[in-house]
Amino acid sequence: AQKVTQTQTSISVMEKTTVTMDCVYETRDSSYFLFWYKQTASGEIVFLIRQDSYKKENATEGHYSLNFQKPKSSIGLIITATQIEDSAVYFCAMRDNVGDNSKLIWGLGTSLVVNP
Amino acid sequence: EAAVTQSPRNKVAVTGGKVTLSCNQTNNHNNMYWYRQDTGHGLRLIHYSYGAGSTEKGDIPDGYKASRPSQENFSLILELATPSQTSVYFCASGDRDNNQDTQYFGPGTRLLVL
Repeated sequence: AQKVTQTQTSISVMEKTTVTMDCVYETRDSSYFLFWYKQTASGEIVFLIRQDSYKKENATEGHYSLNFQKPKSSIGLIITATQIEDSAVYFCAMRDNVGDNSKLIWGLGTSLVVNP
Repeated sequence: EAAVTQSPRNKVAVTGGKVTLSCNQTNNHNNMYWYRQDTGHGLRLIHYSYGAGSTEKGDIPDGYKASRPSQENFSLILELATPSQTSVYFCASGDRDNNQDTQYFGPGTRLLVL
């Protein structure tokens, strides 16, 4: 069955450090897409970055990057030089081509607190 | 600026009443989605649509109907609202052809059913 698991419920880091948030997924498909979203304190949900499974290079977007380890079914989100405004809940999601492939499978989120 | 907007942003309804949540997108995306978010459950898909005139059941469709009268608009309808439908509702749009259906979200609607 398709599943996305974020094992870290919450993380607390100091400003300007690097943080990695974990995400593991389950799929029977060889082609799939992995997404990270951020939900701010105001409730806004913002798309951050996507990894296509057929691409070997890790995706990067500004101070966000991904650590894609396909054999481990793992897609970690790395935030470098964290800022106070990075404090938010981060969601991992997956879309594959099994069954209804218009649906995203979501993790339950990791709460990040960046301390000054 | 392309965007997904929702109305109303906040709604208080009575049990048994009818509630309509509206969503508009200017992204020109084919697909649109309705989710609800509750503590401990994350985002759960209620209904979605592939385009005007199309609606599909998501993972938790019971008690909800959807309507997609145009490319831009997608509504979620609670015919007989119940307190268990108190939640935050998010609409999203996506386009598989152009960006692998990356979904872009509206600001959310907070619904309280008394």
